[in-house]
Amino acid sequence: EVQLLESGGDLVQPGGSLRLSCGASGFPFSTEAMSWVRQAPGKGLEWVSAISGHSLSILYADSVKGRFTISRDNSKNTVYLQMNSLRVDDTAVYYCAKGSQLTPTEYLQHWGQGTLVTVSS
Amino acid sequence: DIQMTQSPSAMSASVGDRVTITCRASQGIHNYLAWFQHKPGKAPKRLIYSASNLESGVPSRFSGSGFGTEFTLTISSLQPEDFATYYCLQHNNYPVTFGQGTRLETK
Repeated sequence: EVQLLESGGDLVQPGGSLRLSCGASGFPFSTEAMSWVRQAPGKGLEWVSAISGHSLSILYADSVKGRFTISRDNSKNTVYLQMNSLRVDDTAVYYCAKGSQLTPTEYLQHWGQGTLVTVSS
Repeated sequence: DIQMTQSPSAMSASVGDRVTITCRASQGIHNYLAWFQHKPGKAPKRLIYSASNLESGVPSRFSGSGFGTEFTLTISSLQPEDFATYYCLQHNNYPVTFGQGTRLETK
């Protein structure tokens, strides 16, 4: 059974930093692309970033480019999202999800339960 | 970026109703289109992939259709557990983009 578990969400001041983690199990982690998707309060879903299985392809939404860094440790079955220069509008529930957009049968088929990031003074 | 225009943004319906939600892409995306159901406090749930393929375990009252720029999600007979927010997602190009969502409420 595929399981994804996010952690690291917290209350942080504007301009601060936070690192989210997503632990994975139930599938061959190193072969799977992973993504982060967020939902701000009262808003819709927004794709944030994606990373291929061996980190050769990394992509970001324009809204986070230059501030967020996605990475992974395949030995720990974990993907990370380092968030710097946080802004109030980064407040959201952050989800990790698995799959490559080039493999429609599996793309974003499985999601974690999310972790809440609140940016406020 | 490809814009996904989803309509309606909200609707009221009753148990047993037939419901149709539409997504229009700003440019052709072949069939790289998925539909998700999202309930408060839960992870989004994928219902449909490749525009018309039903996810395993999803009731057959859900169906999807379309290709290119016009897509629809249909719920043939609404059940109490279907009241939620629905999103389309295009993944033909990066950045992948979601529709703005359709909030389905009980009438």
